Amino acid sequence: QSALTQPPSASGSPGQSVTISCTGTSGDVGAYNHVSWYQQHPGKVPKLIIYEVTKRPSGISDRFSGSKSGNTASLTVSGLQAEDEADYYCTSYAGSNNLFFGGGTKLTVL
Amino acid sequence: QEHLVESGGGVVQPGGSLRLSCAASGFTFSSHGMTWVRQAPGKGLEWVAFIRFDGANQYYGDSVEGRFTISRDNSKNTLYLQMNSLRPEDTAVYYCAKGDIWSGYPSWFDPWGQGTLVTVPS
Repeated sequence: QSALTQPPSASGSPGQSVTISCTGTSGDVGAYNHVSWYQQHPGKVPKLIIYEVTKRPSGISDRFSGSKSGNTASLTVSGLQAEDEADYYCTSYAGSNNLFFGGGTKLTVL
Repeated sequence: QEHLVESGGGVVQPGGSLRLSCAASGFTFSSHGMTWVRQAPGKGLEWVAFIRFDGANQYYGDSVEGRFTISRDNSKNTLYLQMNSLRPEDTAVYYCAKGDIWSGYPSWFDPWGQGTLVTVPS
């Protein structure tokens, strides 16, 4: 059982926007601005796409954006493209030098 | 270009030990916290361990605490994971990843290595 809860799947048509949620508690997501998101294509290495809730690493498309409200963080993918089809994982620092991952969300581009 | 290369994976019997290595290049290794994350076949990501940039502190996920030890040699730009008392549920691809500069606790990681597969048959 994952400490952070993500929907197992999400989908959208090309050009649409999709939002993936990541629900934690007041001890992790709600307490710290250390939420990050990773994209993993099948058979590939995870890639950081959002860190510290809203920041994008260099080279990451601005179609990816992050936000947080209370104990829930969200990743929004705008202008969906076929290449966005992948698994997405959230993480949050949880205090006491602990880190939680979400269970992952499989994004399908219809 | 920042680069991480893991090695040392393989098949080990339950109760056995294995040491993974992660060779880093393209960045100032001694300035960054480092982590190990694993992924069981067909499953999600699980944080395993983190070590501070200077090696002064190490932190572990609950499932490996007391069995695994993370360490680093900043003179060799290399990260290690010593895995003891291995169990079938430790079977996974193990990734090393670079943390934030001067980081003292696990947060975000970029980039990740290609991973090395550890198999513990049941």
